Amino acid sequence: AQKITQTQPGMFVQEKEAVTLDCTYDTSDPSYGLFWYKQPSSGEMIFLIYQGSYDQQNATEGRYSLNFQKARKSANLVISASQLGDSAMYFCAMREDSKLTFGKGITLSVRP
Amino acid sequence: NAGVTQTPKFQVLKTGQSMTLQCAQDMNHEYMSWYRQDPGMGLRLIHYSVGAGITDQGEVPNGYNVSRSTTEDFPLRLLSAAPSQTSVYFCASSPKVSGFNSPLHFGNGTRLTVT
Repeated sequence: AQKITQTQPGMFVQEKEAVTLDCTYDTSDPSYGLFWYKQPSSGEMIFLIYQGSYDQQNATEGRYSLNFQKARKSANLVISASQLGDSAMYFCAMREDSKLTFGKGITLSVRP
Repeated sequence: NAGVTQTPKFQVLKTGQSMTLQCAQDMNHEYMSWYRQDPGMGLRLIHYSVGAGITDQGEVPNGYNVSRSTTEDFPLRLLSAAPSQTSVYFCASSPKVSGFNSPLHFGNGTRLTVT
């Protein structure tokens, strides 16, 4: 069974609008961390945001926020006020102890 | 501050050849790992290390060897390259061994083609 599921096909959003990228996860460990990474066409992996399993509030980092619904095991990334530079592949990942497991990624395209 | 450095950036091998992908970090991170990225598959863990002298297998270890003789270096060895090993390889590190709140710092990747 997949530990991280990202099932959306390629996503499109109009510049300056908000977009939500979905991520669900599966774990029986009470202690885990959820991460989102961005991979632009240049190929590097850029860390965006982190949410811990014990965190009571949703994480925010500038235009990025994480909609964490623990009971539903979902950790959706919300990007507000999309910019052309947000066009990239986005990966959701979960860290349990010493391993970080990635989803298959979602391609986001921002339209001018 | 160099961070995580991978060499080479690009490599073409013939089936059966061997090579070593180099990874070095200057952040004194305990934890280091290797991933491969294939289209539609995300990143998959090959091997990881929680400290010098300690390595363990990830999700897709077959065909790869690693060693960790120093904190800084974590090379990945392909003993007999196969076309199925054509991929982009990422090395990543983090300061904590078992910190579930510790993000990975990635190198810029090595694009390997095996013909």
